[in-house]
Amino acid sequence: EAAVTQSPRNKVAVTGGKVTLSCNQTNNHNNMYWYRQDTGHGLRLIHYSYGAGSTEKGDIPDGYKASRPSQENFSLILELATPSQTSVYFCASGDANTEVFFGKGTRLTVV
Amino acid sequence: GDSVTQTEGLVTLTKGLPVMLNCTYQTTYSPFLFWYVQHLNEAPKLLLKSSTDNKRTEHQGFYATLHKSSSSFHLQKSSVQLSDSALYFCALEGKLIFGQGTKLSIKP
Repeated sequence: EAAVTQSPRNKVAVTGGKVTLSCNQTNNHNNMYWYRQDTGHGLRLIHYSYGAGSTEKGDIPDGYKASRPSQENFSLILELATPSQTSVYFCASGDANTEVFFGKGTRLTVV
Repeated sequence: GDSVTQTEGLVTLTKGLPVMLNCTYQTTYSPFLFWYVQHLNEAPKLLLKSSTDNKRTEHQGFYATLHKSSSSFHLQKSSVQLSDSALYFCALEGKLIFGQGTKLSIKP
């Protein structure tokens, strides 16, 4: 089965600090996505990418940056973390009109 | 812009009863719809998908029919089991936008 690996799995960060969440996929998928999941809000799209070097804003990009340096890697960067960014973050990869595969998630707590 | 709406936040049913989870969408493109299921403390996984108008698609006892005339892709099952307790998300291809999700809770 397709593999998407997120690191770290858990992270505690301080307010104002920089946080980088990493995602690696070995499926050779073109598309990669970052979502956050909060109770009552489902999965909300933060950033996505159609290939190496490209990033696009999703529905809630404010406070987040993304980087896609290669086909395999897609990072989510919080330059100045805030408590409102405490959430579970999922990375996913896939191709158009096919199944996307999710990583196991990163639980981020900003204190 | 594109959007997906799931109207039920929580559905609680007794085992053996039928269920329908609602999903409607808005898009200017030809739609490709998905249902994903997320069990507790796990990642979402694909349940079924469709882009064909008025054709029923089935998987693991669940089924759905894409109706472009009403912009709907409701998920149904004729007899729910305890193991069906999970979060269910409807999603729209493109940016891959998800609805808010419906928590299905099955009681013995």
